[in-house]
Amino acid sequence: EDKVVQSPLSLVVHEGDTVTLNCSYEVTNFRSLLWYKQEKKAPTFLFMLTSSGIEKKSGRLSSILDKKELFSILNITATQTGDSAIYLCAVLFSNSGYALNFGKGTSLLVTP
Amino acid sequence: NAGVTQTPKFQVLKTGQSMTLQCAQDMNHNSMYWYRQDPGMGLRLIYYSASEGTTDKGEVPNGYNVSRLNKREFSLRLESAAPSQTSVYFCASRPTGNQPQHFGDGTRLSIL
Repeated sequence: EDKVVQSPLSLVVHEGDTVTLNCSYEVTNFRSLLWYKQEKKAPTFLFMLTSSGIEKKSGRLSSILDKKELFSILNITATQTGDSAIYLCAVLFSNSGYALNFGKGTSLLVTP
Repeated sequence: NAGVTQTPKFQVLKTGQSMTLQCAQDMNHNSMYWYRQDPGMGLRLIYYSASEGTTDKGEVPNGYNVSRLNKREFSLRLESAAPSQTSVYFCASRPTGNQPQHFGDGTRLSIL
């Protein structure tokens, strides 16, 4: 059975801290791994990772994929209260019309 | 620049009532998806449509039907609502190829 496991499930940090969110997967027909940020409404796209070892960066956020060990990490440096959200990891696989198989998410709270 | 539009945003139903959730995208995407999100469960795929004229079951299709009315619109119908279908429903669309999905803002559905 395909699965995507995120850890930790919840995290509370202080502004300025650095956080690392983890995502491991066991998925057949793997195409890519995606990270989304979800605040009140729609998940918003952060990164898509297809190749191992290539870091994707956007401001204070970065992510990398290890296809040999089947995991990805999402790093957030110098956290701000606006980073408080649920971070979703999802794997795109070529069955089911390229649907996404989601993990349960990591709920991040950044306190002032 | 609407993207993916879902209606309604909120709905309360009584057990046994029927309801159709509407979804439309203006990005000329081929594939569309319906997910449900429950606390602690992540997003789970209900149905998807890989292209206009086709629909297929996802992970949790029981109690739902879908219609891909045209390339823009993909509706989700609950024929006889049950309390277990209380959830937040997200519609998403995706262009051809290894590309991320774009999500609507969701419909929060409560069934009493």
